[in-house]
Amino acid sequence: SQKIEQNSEALNIQEGKTATLTCNYTNYSPAYLQWYRQDPGRGPVFLLLIRENEKEKRKERLKVTFDTTLKQSLFHITASQPADSATYLCALDTYTGGFKTIFGAGTRLFVKA
Amino acid sequence: KAGVTQTPRYLIKTRGQQVTLSCSPISGHRSVSWYQQTPGQGLQFLFEYFSETQRNKGNFPGRFSGRQFSNSRSEMNVSTLELGDSALYLCASTPSGGEAFFGQGTRLTVV
Repeated sequence: SQKIEQNSEALNIQEGKTATLTCNYTNYSPAYLQWYRQDPGRGPVFLLLIRENEKEKRKERLKVTFDTTLKQSLFHITASQPADSATYLCALDTYTGGFKTIFGAGTRLFVKA
Repeated sequence: KAGVTQTPRYLIKTRGQQVTLSCSPISGHRSVSWYQQTPGQGLQFLFEYFSETQRNKGNFPGRFSGRQFSNSRSEMNVSTLELGDSALYLCASTPSGGEAFFGQGTRLTVV
């Protein structure tokens, strides 16, 4: 069956350290993979998109890697800050006549000052 | 540029009733997707509309339906509400796929 798995346990890190979140998937052939941030009671906010033929993408303190052989994406936040505390969602986009975006359950990140 | 607008923000309905939720996408975006978010299930894909046509559908019963108008505004309808339909319903718009812009959601409570 098709699955997207993110660490269900919360990730607690110290301010200034690098946070690394994992997204694994099975039985998907995604056109691309996205990462979103969601704060309580609000809609997700887009962070980064990486295509199947790209290995790595960066944006300011954020970095995403995409390994289609391992079927895994890693999301890194360098020099983390308390304001980075949120839930981070991984999403896969497949195209079958129309786009279908499937989200992982998300990983809750807590950054302590 | 105005963001995605969902109305209403909060709604309380009784079991057996029906409900209609509205979504106004970002101007120029032709693709609108709907999601249901619950603590136990996360974000679940409901359906995607593009130029008034449903292009994709998730695994939800037929009580969940939607439509899109010529101005790209979209509505979703849930008939014969059940307690388990209580959730945050999110709408997202994109030009035709890729980076999605989400609304604030409609919090539906079924009592």
